[in-house]
Amino acid sequence: GAVVSQHPSWVICKSGTSVKIECRSLDFQATTMFWYRQFPKQSLMLMATSNEGSKATYEQGVEKDKFLINHASLTLSTLTVTSAHPEDSSFYICSAPSDRVGYEQYFGPGTRLTVT
Amino acid sequence: KNQVEQSPQSLIILEGKNCTLQCNYTVSPFSNLRWYKQDTGRGPVSLTIMTFSENTKSNGRYTATLDADTKQSSLHITASQLSDSASYICVVAGYMRFGAGTRLTVKP
Repeated sequence: GAVVSQHPSWVICKSGTSVKIECRSLDFQATTMFWYRQFPKQSLMLMATSNEGSKATYEQGVEKDKFLINHASLTLSTLTVTSAHPEDSSFYICSAPSDRVGYEQYFGPGTRLTVT
Repeated sequence: KNQVEQSPQSLIILEGKNCTLQCNYTVSPFSNLRWYKQDTGRGPVSLTIMTFSENTKSNGRYTATLDADTKQSSLHITASQLSDSASYICVVAGYMRFGAGTRLTVKP
């Protein structure tokens, strides 16, 4: 089946620094990718929709200047958490809809961000 | 208010037993309903996808049902295994809405 990868799988950074997370579709092209955040024991929360070649669409309450999204190619989207704070510590997951029949949504393995 | 409600919130069963997880939704428009399994610290993995016209779909020991009239779905796990311990998430698409998940623990 289709595979979506994320890098890094985990990262620890100091407060005030920026962190970039990559999401790649490995064997299919994705004009759209989705970014989620998940706090412990809670459901995934959609943060933004990444669109190849155009601006991302952010969900209400998500600061677009803090969470920068770049969908530079049909197989890569990046999420940059700028000036990270401890409250940004979370599990960040991306997903991409398959371009095949059935429109399955494939999720990446997630990135654990810890801000100290 | 979350438009996808799952129950129970958590469940502990013994290995080999069956269990059923519930999902009620009020999401509109409805395109399809998906069940995902999420291991701790990992991304969700798809178990089943059902469209409006499908009542049941199986994937190995997992069987999902859908009643579009009452807007209810269930996920039945047969002969549970230790590896079934995970969170099971119900997602209603049209616009992707996630349930909070049911945390299943299978004990030996």
